[in-house]
Amino acid sequence: GNSVTQMEGPVTLSEEAFLTINCTYTATGYPSLFWYVQYPGEGLQLLLKATKADDKGSNKGFEATYRKETTSFHLEKGSVQVSDSAVYFCALSASGNQFYFGTGTSLTVIP
Amino acid sequence: DGGITQSPKYLFRKEGQNVTLSCEQNLNHDAMYWYRQDPGQGLRLIYYSQIVNDFQKGDIAEGYSVSREKKESFPLTVTSAQKNPTAFYLCASSITWLTDTQYFGPGTRLTVL
Repeated sequence: GNSVTQMEGPVTLSEEAFLTINCTYTATGYPSLFWYVQYPGEGLQLLLKATKADDKGSNKGFEATYRKETTSFHLEKGSVQVSDSAVYFCALSASGNQFYFGTGTSLTVIP
Repeated sequence: DGGITQSPKYLFRKEGQNVTLSCEQNLNHDAMYWYRQDPGQGLRLIYYSQIVNDFQKGDIAEGYSVSREKKESFPLTVTSAQKNPTAFYLCASSITWLTDTQYFGPGTRLTVL
């Protein structure tokens, strides 16, 4: 079956620290992979996506590379800001467009 | 501006009452979805609609009902049969069922008193 596993939080970092949030997946076929971000009390916003192996998605300084060999899609940012504090969800889209979400990782960035 | 709106933002319901959550989109998307989010958990799919006048059950449809009479609207009714309805409900849409990116509304937080 299809599933997504992401590292548990919460994660607390100082401003300008390096961020990695791990995400691994199990899927049949060739899924598309996504990172969504949720700010407090709001819906999910698409952060970045990758649709095939070795693709790199990037947006607002965040990056993630679709690694088929390790079935991973880790989220990285070189220098986090206080405004990056949010919950981050890894997700995959399989055949039929059903989405499978991870449980979310809460990030808090302190000044 | 195009987007997805959900109303109300907060909703309170007494046990035994049905309640309807609104979801409207002006993106001209064919497909729409309802998810439930519980603390510390990912999103779980309640219902989805590939096209107007069509809808299908998701993973946790029991105690919920939907309709899709208009392309832009996909209301969700939480019935009294839903045993634990307190949660954050998110509506989403995509251009078509075969398009891989979903766009989300701001959510409705339902609390059963």
